[in-house]
Amino acid sequence: EVQLVESGGGLVQPGGSLRLSCAASGSTFSSDEMNWVRQAPGKGLEWLAYISSGGSITHYADSVKGRFTISRDSAKNSLYLHMSSLRAEDTAVYYCVRNNWNWYYFDLWGQGTLITVSS
Amino acid sequence: EIVLTQSPGTLSLSPGERATLSCRASQSVSRTYLAWYQQKPGQAPRLLIYGASSRATGIPDRFSGSGSETDFTLTISRLEPEDFAVYYCQQYGGSPMHTFGQGTKLEIK
Repeated sequence: EVQLVESGGGLVQPGGSLRLSCAASGSTFSSDEMNWVRQAPGKGLEWLAYISSGGSITHYADSVKGRFTISRDSAKNSLYLHMSSLRAEDTAVYYCVRNNWNWYYFDLWGQGTLITVSS
Repeated sequence: EIVLTQSPGTLSLSPGERATLSCRASQSVSRTYLAWYQQKPGQAPRLLIYGASSRATGIPDRFSGSGSETDFTLTISRLEPEDFAVYYCQQYGGSPMHTFGQGTKLEIK
């Protein structure tokens, strides 16, 4: 069974940086299109970033453009989110998510990792 | 930006009743790219419906989706205790690439 497991969450000061990782088990990762989605405490879901299966195409939400970078290493079956200039409003659970390549729905979610931005 | 507005914000019903959740888009959305998710406390969302009306693998047939263009509906025909959760609609297309509705909380009356 394919699984996604995020890591790298924790407490970071405003203005700081952090890198999240997502380890994918299973043999399909190199052909999967991947995303990061977050959820602030008690709030709804917010899509943040997308990366194509080959890694050459990325898209970002305006709220994180220029501050966050999505990347992947298919040899390591891993997805990453490099976050910089972190703000209090970036506090959230961050999910690694696979989208279906044809219908673009999110069919596989990790368990999430919590980022708290606070001094 | 396509904005998805879900209503009601909270829906209070009893097990066995029928639930009707609405998702309205600020502009037309392709049915192909409209999905619904269920989220329980402390869990990641789970895909219920894709393509506006196709059930995901393992989803019971009491869940159904319908609609087109700007108005979409998720219906749960007879509520089971495990159905009480928060439900989100999501669409793909335009900028940003994906947007979610703000969610409908389905609670036990």
